[in-house]
Amino acid sequence: GENVEQHPSTLSVQEGDSAVIKCTYSDSASNYFPWYKQELGKGPQLIIDIRSNVGEKKDQRIAVTLNKTAKHFSLHITETQPEDSAVYFCAARQTGANNLFFGTGTRLTVIP
Amino acid sequence: GAVVSQHPSRVICKSGTSVKIECRSLDFQATTMFWYRQFPKQSLMLMATSNEGSKATYEQGVEKDKFLINHASLTLSTLTVTSAHPEDSSFYICSARDLASTDTQYFGPGTRLTVL
Repeated sequence: GENVEQHPSTLSVQEGDSAVIKCTYSDSASNYFPWYKQELGKGPQLIIDIRSNVGEKKDQRIAVTLNKTAKHFSLHITETQPEDSAVYFCAARQTGANNLFFGTGTRLTVIP
Repeated sequence: GAVVSQHPSRVICKSGTSVKIECRSLDFQATTMFWYRQFPKQSLMLMATSNEGSKATYEQGVEKDKFLINHASLTLSTLTVTSAHPEDSSFYICSARDLASTDTQYFGPGTRLTVL
């Protein structure tokens, strides 16, 4: 099965700085990679996703990059704000499969 | 994005009772729904996958007789925790996948279950 690793487990940045979270996956058949943001006591919220036919996707301050050869993908948040503080999860899904395989999460703290 | 609702958001029950959690996709039809369990400061653990009109597929180690899942329509799935015990206390989150559109998976807001 698929194995998704996520680093770092915790990340603190100053407001306005950038934050980068990295994930690796094991199965080359995976073709869909979403990122979720989870605030305390709430369900995960999809913030961006990328499919294996593209290398980068951007949505305002958030971007995701994918390196299929190396089997890793990263979340980039620029100009961080205190409201970006949350736990972020990466995930991967194999072609034709139903469920997502999640990383272990990164607790991001943006210091005002 | 699409909206998935869950009800109730919090429930406290006595040991031995059963609790039903509802999950609804509000603006799309969910041919596949998922139920996850999350312990504090941990990742999401998939419990089962259900397709509308068929029996749920449970992950290894999840007792199907204890966690009853029903996916009777394209917009509603229910999880019933039967004979709940304190160790069943957890955060339960449902998710729905809209295969008709972008193939994206959306999550509900979660249900905090506390068994006394």
